[in-house]
Amino acid sequence: EAGVVQSPRYKIIEKKQPVAFWCNPISGHNTLYWYRQNLGQGPELLIRYENEEAVDDSQLPKDRFSAERLKGVDSTLKIQPAELGDSAVYLCASRASGSYNEQFFGPGTRLTVL
Amino acid sequence: DQQVKQNSPSLSVQEGRISILNCDYTNSMFDYFLWYKKYPAEGPTFLISISSIKDKNEDGRFTVFLNKSAKHLSLHIVPSQPGDSAVYFCAASGETSGSRLTFGEGTQLTVNP
Repeated sequence: EAGVVQSPRYKIIEKKQPVAFWCNPISGHNTLYWYRQNLGQGPELLIRYENEEAVDDSQLPKDRFSAERLKGVDSTLKIQPAELGDSAVYLCASRASGSYNEQFFGPGTRLTVL
Repeated sequence: DQQVKQNSPSLSVQEGRISILNCDYTNSMFDYFLWYKKYPAEGPTFLISISSIKDKNEDGRFTVFLNKSAKHLSLHIVPSQPGDSAVYFCAASGETSGSRLTFGEGTQLTVNP
């Protein structure tokens, strides 16, 4: 079974530029999460999707961050414009319906904003 | 407001000995707890979990203990192996937060041969 796929793995951009991350969850997993992990910290949730609906986006900085999961499968997270403080690892995770809360993570995208 | 805390940034043990990683939480609404292991340049990998209705869950070399009154959980690895060297994250969730996981800061475990 393929795991959660993310791309790109690494991205370096200058501040004020836009950037997008892509995630393909494990097949059949209806719930998709985007987390941000700062250096030396644990992941923090940005947004959670149940199928194509964003059901928890309270921690998403909506002035510059946006996300979509149009067909309830893969998802894109966008930052526009990026700021220096956005440098972090962006992790995508998915979970099967019915499983209590074991979330499966992708390898992440390491973003560096210069 | 750090609701899940791992107070030890690092832990070093000898191969074959026991590793004990600790985690404290403050939110009494948390009812499910998980441990994840993370290798460099990889995403966290689910290791073991425990529901608040239990005080112990065991899976091979890994055992998680939960002390609800103290709001404390620990992960025991016996015997420790060099391949266990990784960052270990404690995470918690509760009915009021949906399936959002709240993570601790992580503990770097190093198992020396």
